[in-house]
Amino acid sequence: EVQLLESGGGLVRPGGSLRLSCAASGFTFSSYAMSWVRQAPGKGLEWVSALSGRGGSTYYVDSVKGRFTISRDNSRNTLYLQMNSLRAEDTALYYCAKRSGRGWIDNWGQGTLVTVSS
Amino acid sequence: DIQMTQSPSTLSASVGDRVTITCRASQSISIWLAWYQQKPGKAPKVLIYEASSLESGVPPRFSGSGSGTEFSLTISSLQPDDFATYYCQQYNGYSTFGQGTKVEIK
Repeated sequence: EVQLLESGGGLVRPGGSLRLSCAASGFTFSSYAMSWVRQAPGKGLEWVSALSGRGGSTYYVDSVKGRFTISRDNSRNTLYLQMNSLRAEDTALYYCAKRSGRGWIDNWGQGTLVTVSS
Repeated sequence: DIQMTQSPSTLSASVGDRVTITCRASQSISIWLAWYQQKPGKAPKVLIYEASSLESGVPPRFSGSGSGTEFSLTISSLQPDDFATYYCQQYNGYSTFGQGTKVEIK
């Protein structure tokens, strides 16, 4: 059974940093691209970032380019999202998501909440 | 970037109704489109992938169609468990979600 367990969320001041982690199990982690998707309170889903299985290719939504960095440690079966220069509009529930071999998301974590507020 | 326009934003319907949600891409995405269902406090789950393929375990009352820029999700006979929010997602290269359609009880 695929399991994705996010951690690292919390309350941070504007301009601050957080690192999210996603511990994966139940599949061959290095074989799959992974994504982060966020959902602001009461709002829709927003794709944030993606990373290929071996980590060679990264993708970001324009609003986080230059501030967020996605990475992975395949030896630890863990996905990361380093978030710097956080803004109020980054406040959201952040989901770790596994991409299927052909691109859609076939498994989601339960999310970790990031709140950016002074 | 590819934009996804989903409509309607809210849909009021009764149990047994046939409902259709549409999603339009700003440029062709072939069949690289998925549909997700999300219930309050829960993570989304995939219903349809590659525009019309039903995910294992999803009831056959759900169906998807379309290609290129126009897509639709149809629920043939709405059940109580189907009241939720539905999202389309394109995965042609990067990824983008539609704004969501909340299906509520009429």
